[in-house]
Amino acid sequence: DAGVTQSPTHLIKTRGQQVTLRCSPKSGHDTVSWYQQALGQGPQFIFQYYEEEERQRGNFPDRFSGHQFPNYSSELNVNALLLGDSALYLCASSLVSVREETQYFGPGTRLLVL
Amino acid sequence: SQQGEEDPQALSIQEGENATMNCSYKTSINNLQWYRQNSGRGLVHLILIRSNEREKHSGRLRVTLDTSKKSSSLLITASRAADTASYFCATDADSNYQLIWGAGTKLIIKP
Repeated sequence: DAGVTQSPTHLIKTRGQQVTLRCSPKSGHDTVSWYQQALGQGPQFIFQYYEEEERQRGNFPDRFSGHQFPNYSSELNVNALLLGDSALYLCASSLVSVREETQYFGPGTRLLVL
Repeated sequence: SQQGEEDPQALSIQEGENATMNCSYKTSINNLQWYRQNSGRGLVHLILIRSNEREKHSGRLRVTLDTSKKSSSLLITASRAADTASYFCATDADSNYQLIWGAGTKLIIKP
C-alpha cells in the first residue's frame, strides 16, 4: 500500500518562472492538502482539494493555484516565482468521511528560487 | 499566521530521560494533533486528542489537553536517539478544514 508520493524531490528555479509540483495521495484517500514550510518554521496551509474543487484556502496569493484529478492526485502550481517562495512544499492526504482527518504526509518537494 | 506556539523552541536531553514539550493555541478547536518531522522531510502523525479528552497515551507518548488554558503537552518517556526530530502541534478548528501549526520544538537526544 503506497503512501503519499510527491515529485520532484528537489527543484531549482529562477525568479519569475513557473513551477508545478505533483502529489499522489495514499490509497483510498480522497482529499489532498498542500502546505508550505519555510526553513525553521511550521507548515502553512495553502489549500485543500476534494472532489476536484478547492474546498478551503489559506492566506496565499493567487499565484498559487492547484488542481485535483479524477484519480485524486493533485498538482500545485506557482506562477511568477519570488525568492520568498523557496521552501519545502508538503502534500498531505486524508479521507473526508473521517471527520478527524488525520493527515498523511508525503516527503515533500524542496524548491529553491534563485 | 500560526495558531500554535511550541515551548521550548529547542530541547537537548540525555538518552533515557523524559522529554516534555508544550503547545499553546489561540482559538477553539475540534482536536489537536502532534506530528514528528525528521531532517526537514515529511511529517509523521503521532497522536490526536479530541477537545473533550484530557489525556491520551500511545506507547511512550503521553498527551494532555487543557482547553481552558488552550494548551497541550507531549511527554516522551525513556527517550531514544531515534526520537531526535522536530515536533509540531497542529490544531483542527471547528468547521474548518485546515490544520494550523506551531513553529515546532527541536528535540535532540544525546547518546
